[in-house]
Amino acid sequence: NAGVTQTPKFQVLKTGQSMTLQCAQDMNHEYMSWYRQDPGMGLRLIHYSVGAGITDQGEVPNGYNVSRSTTEDFPLRLLSAAPSQTSVYFCASRPHLGPIGYEQYFGPGTRLTVT
Amino acid sequence: SQQGEEDPQALSIQEGENATMNCSYKTSINNLQWYRQNSGRGLVHLILIRSNEREKHSGRLRVTLDTSKKSSSLLITASRAADTASYFCATDTGFQKLVFGTGTRLLVSP
Repeated sequence: NAGVTQTPKFQVLKTGQSMTLQCAQDMNHEYMSWYRQDPGMGLRLIHYSVGAGITDQGEVPNGYNVSRSTTEDFPLRLLSAAPSQTSVYFCASRPHLGPIGYEQYFGPGTRLTVT
Repeated sequence: SQQGEEDPQALSIQEGENATMNCSYKTSINNLQWYRQNSGRGLVHLILIRSNEREKHSGRLRVTLDTSKKSSSLLITASRAADTASYFCATDTGFQKLVFGTGTRLLVSP
């Protein structure tokens, strides 16, 4: 299994440009999520999905859109990039929900710079 | 806002010493998880402890959980240079979100 893959690894955008960060997993996980990581801030949840066709907002959703048309893919769209969105973005997945709890599997990250 | 806060923010030790880092959180949880992040990489899951458990071991890792104090600790015994990384706690409140703390940066010197 490839696990969780993310593309691209690096991206530079100009303010106002749009782009899509790709995320895919081959573990048939129901739950997928996007985080951003900024220095000294830990990871903050942007959006998450509990299954195909179902998405919801996390802690910092503004400026980002997501969709989940398949179990495998969970792209993150930046509608109009701003310098405040300069960050490292991580996609993660885990088997399924419930009170038992499961570990999350993370992708390698996308380092985005907005100038 | 962050659910978990790690302490200390940074820790520097020699190889062979033990490293202890702590995590405090604010609300009731279903489980608490610890992750490691090597520089420039994604996070890797280390251990999960459920709310009805008090202690868990995995190799050189020992995690404790005190739900009355809303705190957890991660002990790495006999540290190695390869343990140099950032360590994060994450709380699962059962509302479909895993919330991460700000992390502890561990430096293990040979």
